[in-house]
Amino acid sequence: EVQLVESGGGLVQPGGSLRLSCAASGFTFSDHYMDWVRQAPGKGPEWVGRIRKKANSYTTEYAASVKGRFTISRDDSKNSLYLQMNGLKTEDTAIYYCVRVGPTYGPDYWGQGTLVTVSS
Amino acid sequence: DIQMTQSPSSLSASVGDRVTITCRASQDISNSLAWFQQKPGKAPKSLIYAASSLQSGVPSEFSGSGSGTDFTLTISSLQPEDFATYYCQQYKSYPITFGQGTRLEIK
Repeated sequence: EVQLVESGGGLVQPGGSLRLSCAASGFTFSDHYMDWVRQAPGKGPEWVGRIRKKANSYTTEYAASVKGRFTISRDDSKNSLYLQMNGLKTEDTAIYYCVRVGPTYGPDYWGQGTLVTVSS
Repeated sequence: DIQMTQSPSSLSASVGDRVTITCRASQDISNSLAWFQQKPGKAPKSLIYAASSLQSGVPSEFSGSGSGTDFTLTISSLQPEDFATYYCQQYKSYPITFGQGTRLEIK
């Protein structure tokens, strides 16, 4: 069974940093691209970014709203995905989901999410 | 960026009804479209990928169609557990973008 478990969310002040983790199990993590998607309270989902697999040099893509502030990385030896968030803004408040990308490059499995609240 | 427009924004229907939700892309995305279901307080659940392929474990009452710019999600016979919000998403080009959602309510 595919499982994605996010952790690391919490309350942080504007301008602060936070690192989210996603522990993957039930599939060959290294074979898949991975996404981060967020959802602000009462809003629809917003794509944050993607990291490709080793065969694609672990290259990344980011939404304009987070580019230069957020960094996605992965550790295939630990079956883990990460989101380093710096320079956090109040508008970054959201539930952050780890999402597996399927073979046709569409998302297929979602984690349960972790809440990030940016507030003073 | 590719804009995704869903219609309707909300819909009231009864158990057993056939329901269709539409998603339109602002430019050609071929078949790079996914549909998700989200219930209150829960993570989204993937239903459809590549416009018309059913994700593993998704009931056959769900189906997707379309290509290019116009897509539909059809629920052939609404079940009580199908009342939720539905989103489309294009993954043809970056940034990946979502529709604004369609809230499906019980009549």
